[in-house]
Amino acid sequence: TQLLEQSPQFLSIQEGENLTVYCNSSSVFSSLQWYRQEPGEGPVLLVTVVTGGEVKKLKRLTFQFGDARKDSSLHITAAQPGDTGLYLCAGGLGDKIIFGKGTRLHILP
Amino acid sequence: DTEVTQTPKHLVMGMTNKKSLKCEQHMGHRAMYWYKQKAKKPPELMFVYSYEKLSINESVPSRFSPECPNSSLLNLHLHALQPEDSALYLCASSQDYRGQGAEVGQPQHFGDGTRLSIL
Repeated sequence: TQLLEQSPQFLSIQEGENLTVYCNSSSVFSSLQWYRQEPGEGPVLLVTVVTGGEVKKLKRLTFQFGDARKDSSLHITAAQPGDTGLYLCAGGLGDKIIFGKGTRLHILP
Repeated sequence: DTEVTQTPKHLVMGMTNKKSLKCEQHMGHRAMYWYKQKAKKPPELMFVYSYEKLSINESVPSRFSPECPNSSLLNLHLHALQPEDSALYLCASSQDYRGQGAEVGQPQHFGDGTRLSIL
């Protein structure tokens, strides 16, 4: 059973388009993190969301934590080729650190 | 540039060799982690050290032996590895292992990993 489901698994869109990726669970998380990983590098922390309903913006990236703290979304406005990478959500559940399987995003110039 | 430094970046070793992976951070973080990542998969947690003590061992085979000599350093000693152990090994750190409410899953800073190939 995958405790954090990410969708879509793969997404390839043109530069300038908008997109949303999702991280869903049936469990309540105290916080969730979003990371981006580029080939040959480690994941880089983008944001942590801790409060239900919270919205955080990072330039063209908007992160939302669901009211019930079971899900989160990442919206990218006017995607650029530099946004290409693997987007991972992660959180703590009980004594476990859980990662989603990731969304592999490819932005076409 | 990452604030978590891992060496070496690449390592090729035979199944009978002994080698070590090293990780260093100077952010004053008190939790350090080892992860294994296979191609096109998310990181899988192996070990967690909190305040230089081993807190979590995710049923990792004994051919992987972690060591935390001090709060800034984390090693992973390798011996008699198998070809299926070939992967990217990532080190990470966080301010603490548990938050104020004792919850795990704190924001982590990752190194760029050591790409390990077992011949």
